[in-house]
Amino acid sequence: AQSVTQPDIHITVSEGASLELRCNYSYGATPYLFWYVQSPGQGLQLLLKYFSGDTLVQGIKGFEAEFKRSQSSFNLRKPSVHWSDAAEYFCAVGRMDSSYKLIFGSGTRLLVRP
Amino acid sequence: GAGVSQSPSNKVTEKGKDVELRCDPISGHTALYWYRQSLGQGLEFLIYFQGNSAPDKSGLPSDRFSAERTGGSVSTLTIQRTQQEDSAVYLCASSVDINQPQHFGDGTRLSIL
Repeated sequence: AQSVTQPDIHITVSEGASLELRCNYSYGATPYLFWYVQSPGQGLQLLLKYFSGDTLVQGIKGFEAEFKRSQSSFNLRKPSVHWSDAAEYFCAVGRMDSSYKLIFGSGTRLLVRP
Repeated sequence: GAGVSQSPSNKVTEKGKDVELRCDPISGHTALYWYRQSLGQGLEFLIYFQGNSAPDKSGLPSDRFSAERTGGSVSTLTIQRTQQEDSAVYLCASSVDINQPQHFGDGTRLSIL
């Protein structure tokens, strides 16, 4: 069965520092991959997606992610974090034959130090 | 443009009561999805609709849970005889079609006393 692992429950970075959030998935074929962000009391906002093609994808708010098939990873990066980026981040996987059923990781809570 | 709208935003009810949660998808989106977000289980897929039909109900946790969608638009998730373990945030999402990115509403926070 497919699964998604976000190994970091919490990450704290200083404002202006770079950020990398890790995501590893388990799935036999090439999956659809997503990163969502959730602010307190709100729903999930799509940051970026990978379906096929270029393995480095650009998203909103200055985020990017790189699909590495050999490592089964889809890590999220941002070169300079802003205080408003503090939120919870979820990586999700969709199978090509049932892409509607997203499997989510457990999330990483990002704290930003002033 | 309007996003996915869910109501109520919060619902507190007594154990054993029935509850209805409503989702109004983005106009023109044919696919609609329900997820549950709880502390112990994270985000779980419940059910999805393509038009008015629900090809996959496999995520519904028990027969107390049901959902319908009418007119290819609004959907209602109904939980009968609520239990404390039903306490969670219920999120609705919609997409232009399956295989397209899902856009989420702000959720309904359900608390069972």
